[in-house]
Amino acid sequence: EVQLVESGGVVVQPGGSLRLSCAASGFAFDDYTMHWVRQAPGKGLEWVSLITWDGGTSFYADSVKGRFTISRDNSNFSLYLQMNNLRTEDTALYYCAKETYYNYFDSWGQGTLVTVSS
Amino acid sequence: QSALTQPASVSGSPGQSITISCTGTSSDIGSYNFVSWYQRLPGKAPKLLIYEATKRPSGVSNRFSASRSGNTASLTISGLQADDESYYYCCAYAGPSTRVFGGGTKLTVL
Repeated sequence: EVQLVESGGVVVQPGGSLRLSCAASGFAFDDYTMHWVRQAPGKGLEWVSLITWDGGTSFYADSVKGRFTISRDNSNFSLYLQMNNLRTEDTALYYCAKETYYNYFDSWGQGTLVTVSS
Repeated sequence: QSALTQPASVSGSPGQSITISCTGTSSDIGSYNFVSWYQRLPGKAPKLLIYEATKRPSGVSNRFSASRSGNTASLTISGLQADDESYYYCCAYAGPSTRVFGGGTKLTVL
């Protein structure tokens, strides 16, 4: 059974930094592109970032470009999101999601809550 | 990349059918058949309902169907049931560097 378990969400002040983690199990982690998707309170889902199976290529939404860095450790079946210079508008539930070869998300974690507030 | 456009809310009575539209651009829905739909129940992770615009994963009720034409995709739920009440999101592949979600539609079963 595929499992994705996010962790690392806390309350942080504006301008602060945070690293989210996603522990994967139940599938060949190093075969798949992985994503971070977030949902701010009262808002819809927003795609944040992706990283290819080998970690060689990553992309970001304009809203986080230059502040967030996605990475992965295939030997430890883990996905990460380093979040710097956090803003109040980054407050959201952050999900990691596994993408299939046909560009849809077939597995999601339960999410980890990041609150940016002074 | 702007969000896909979905109606904020739709409603229907049990047994009826409803359709949720998802409008994008020629850069996303208009260019690729990689449109997916997700159901988001409160407190739960999003659940895949439709992939590649029209395909239903095993285990998803055949009351859920979808289509794509031009820059617009649509999700239809037939035989509405009370537990269909939820938020629904479309998502489109917009090239190798990005994905884009719709704003979400709240379905109310009257």
